[in-house]
Amino acid sequence: DGGITQSPKYLFRKEGQNVTLSCEQNLNHDAMYWYRQDPGQGLRLIYYSQIVNDFQKGDIAEGYSVSREKKESFPLTVTSAQKNPTAFYLCASSHRGLAGNTGELFFGEGSRLTVL
Amino acid sequence: DAKTTQPPSMDCAEGRAANLPCNHSTISGNEYVYWYRQIHSQGPQYIIHGLKNNETNEMASLIITEDRKSSTLILPHATLRDTAVYYCIVRVAPTGKLIFGQGTTLQVKP
Repeated sequence: DGGITQSPKYLFRKEGQNVTLSCEQNLNHDAMYWYRQDPGQGLRLIYYSQIVNDFQKGDIAEGYSVSREKKESFPLTVTSAQKNPTAFYLCASSHRGLAGNTGELFFGEGSRLTVL
Repeated sequence: DAKTTQPPSMDCAEGRAANLPCNHSTISGNEYVYWYRQIHSQGPQYIIHGLKNNETNEMASLIITEDRKSSTLILPHATLRDTAVYYCIVRVAPTGKLIFGQGTTLQVKP
């Protein structure tokens, strides 16, 4: 079945380590997104990509990096520069770019990162 | 910042209609209103979206006021499985970003 797969579901890391979260989609969507969610809060946009080899910063990009070498993949690296990395990370994709009229977002099941 | 305002929580009796309000007084003419819901620790699920006209699908109805400054999501016959956080979102033009607020926690009670 088509969908978005995030891995790992749970991840622990020590302070000062970089960690990469995987996001793969087989929906043939052009656009992909990363959101962060803290307890009791809404989602905040980290990075988004509307096309292969191109991506844009969202509202809270500091301390994160992404790449978009393939249409179906949009990995997120949480670097040691991110001061409060413990959070729930959600990846999403849409059929059209952000400016499209019918860009319904499909979300993965999330990755929960805990920094020890 | 989110461009929508929602009550933090609501209760609804099982089998009754759940009406979730949302204010978006600064919405622009070409911005869509989207509704998503999130069950604890899962990815948000798309419900419905609209621009001007009322919309209905198999999950819900969306009523948008004529001045477009507010909208209401209607779940016609709420079930216990509809207990979730419901997000009303305005799609920001021209980038089209979806900005999530804190949402409304809907508790459906037997």
